[in-house]
Amino acid sequence: DIQMTQSPSSLSAFVGDRVTITCRASESISNYLSWYQQKPGEAPKLLIYSASSLQSGVPSRFSGSGSGTVFTLAISNLHPEDSATYFCQQSYNTRSFGQGTKVEIK
Amino acid sequence: KQLVQSGPEVQGPGASVRVSCRASGFTIDYSAVHWVRQARGQRLEWIGWIVVGSGYTKFAQKFQDRFIFSVDRSAGTAYMELNNLRSDDTAVYYCAAERGDSTGMDVWGQGTTVIVSS
Repeated sequence: DIQMTQSPSSLSAFVGDRVTITCRASESISNYLSWYQQKPGEAPKLLIYSASSLQSGVPSRFSGSGSGTVFTLAISNLHPEDSATYFCQQSYNTRSFGQGTKVEIK
Repeated sequence: KQLVQSGPEVQGPGASVRVSCRASGFTIDYSAVHWVRQARGQRLEWIGWIVVGSGYTKFAQKFQDRFIFSVDRSAGTAYMELNNLRSDDTAVYYCAAERGDSTGMDVWGQGTTVIVSS
């Protein structure tokens, strides 16, 4: 199974900041990488697929990059409603998720 | 577009549970339906998927023995059955549709809480 590891596990930032989350795969997954946002008590929401494609309806302050084994989710101009846990997920070989990164607003 | 899941379940160890996932506002005919679970405070765990058009199923290695997936295309509903329940199966179970080829799980159900307790 492909293991997905995210860093950091949590971060705290101010409204308006730019934050980045890193996801590493245990082997190359090309660009088969998605990012999800999950708020407490809610189902995950797809933000990014194919490493850098923005899902319809998702604000353009979210962006994804990377290929192979290292990927990044960036949130520019952080909004209060971006407070959530973010997960990466590979679809190169079956599916597996990272452990999540909790983003808090200072 | 949404997936509507059945309500919460409380079962004893060794029992079985069946969770339904009904599509509303779109057809699941051309989708893969994934099942994902999340214990309280834990990461999302991919259980497996069913390709609706063919009925093909695939499970994560640790879930290969006790889960069964099925689909009723006429009802637009997918089902997950979990047998021989254990306490560590207590979790929220989600269904999610992937409507393209590795394009991400873009429609999710609201989640079904399954509690295993004696």
